[in-house]
Amino acid sequence: ELKVEQNPLFLSMQEGKNYTIYCNYSTTSDRLYWYRQDPGKSLESLFVLLSNGAVKQEGRLMASLDTKARLSTLHITAAVHDLSATYFCAGANSGYALNFGKGTSLLVTP
Amino acid sequence: DSGVTQTPKHLITATGQRVTLRCSPRSGDLSVYWYQQSLDQGLQFLIQYYNGEERAKGNILERFSAQQFPDLHSELNLSSLELGDSALYFCASSVGTGYETQYFGPGTRLLVL
Repeated sequence: ELKVEQNPLFLSMQEGKNYTIYCNYSTTSDRLYWYRQDPGKSLESLFVLLSNGAVKQEGRLMASLDTKARLSTLHITAAVHDLSATYFCAGANSGYALNFGKGTSLLVTP
Repeated sequence: DSGVTQTPKHLITATGQRVTLRCSPRSGDLSVYWYQQSLDQGLQFLIQYYNGEERAKGNILERFSAQQFPDLHSELNLSSLELGDSALYFCASSVGTGYETQYFGPGTRLLVL
């Protein structure tokens, strides 16, 4: 079974700083997803990474995938308060279900 | 707004009861997935339907069942409810069964007392 581990699980960072969330997975994953969840809300799709070396960027967030290392990263550039949320990565292999990590709770403070 | 709708938003019931959660996928999406989110288990896949047929099963209890109807809406039935079934239940949909993004609905928050 595909296992997905994220770290850190909790992250407090100052506005304007950069940081990276790491997502390791245990076996081959056909694709890697990143989602954002605000408290009490649903999951919002951020990125879908389909191949080794894939890099996607949206605003202050950039996601990358290294399938050989079984690692995906979500890099946050010059954080702002609006980025405070929980970020999940999820993998999927030879199937349709997403296996989620435990999530990284991000708090951006002034 | 993802385009996926779920009803009801909140549900409070007692142990031993049965409830039905409803999901309507985005227009054009044929796949529906059900996930459970709880503090101790995190986000877990329960079951997937594609165009009316069951495609994949995850950690779904025998007390739980689901179906997808010809109009593609789906229902998740939870019976003999226990305190531990209290959770947020999400429905997600996608166009097919490949690499497409799964779009999540707002969820149904179930509280079993």
